[in-house]
Amino acid sequence: AQSVSQHNHHVILSEAASLELGCNYSYGGTVNLFWYVQYPGQHLQLLLKYFSGDPLVKGIKGFEAEFIKSKFSFNLRKPSVQWSDTAEYFCAVNRLVFGPGTRLSVLP
Amino acid sequence: DAGVIQSPRHEVTEMGQEVTLRCKPISGHNSLFWYRQTMMRGLELLIYFNNNVPIDDSGMPEDRFSAKMPNASFSTLKIQPSEPRDSAVYFCASSARLENTGELFFGEGSRLTVL
Repeated sequence: AQSVSQHNHHVILSEAASLELGCNYSYGGTVNLFWYVQYPGQHLQLLLKYFSGDPLVKGIKGFEAEFIKSKFSFNLRKPSVQWSDTAEYFCAVNRLVFGPGTRLSVLP
Repeated sequence: DAGVIQSPRHEVTEMGQEVTLRCKPISGHNSLFWYRQTMMRGLELLIYFNNNVPIDDSGMPEDRFSAKMPNASFSTLKIQPSEPRDSAVYFCASSARLENTGELFFGEGSRLTVL
């Protein structure tokens, strides 16, 4: 069965701090990996995606994620967060299975 | 260009009543997905359609839930009878691609409260 786990339920950071959100998946076939972001009161939007090729993918707003096949991981990173990054972040496999989400609160 | 349009945005109803949620996907998109979001269970896939045909409805919780896609521009999710535990935000999403590589475009959701 497919499943996605996200390590942290709620992360609180100060502005300019570095961010890493963990995502691990369980799936036996080809994986296509996504990170979506949901800003307060808004719908989910695509942040970045990985299908094949370079395991380090860059997305919008300075986010990047690294696919490590041996670890079944697809962690999201950003070197310096801003207050406007406050949102909920979802990792997903093949569009069908989403992780529980990680809420990020960035303090000004 | 209009995105995915869902209605109603908010619905409050009493237990036992029928609820119908509506979704208009982005024109030209041929895959449509219904998700449910709750604090306890996160975002769960309920059902998805390719070219108006239901592909996987294994996420539909019970027979009280049903979904239809009579044409490429409209889908409904119906709950009959509704129960308090159905309270959640229901998202519809569409994609231009049938394959799992296609980006999902989400609507703004329908927040359902069943009293």
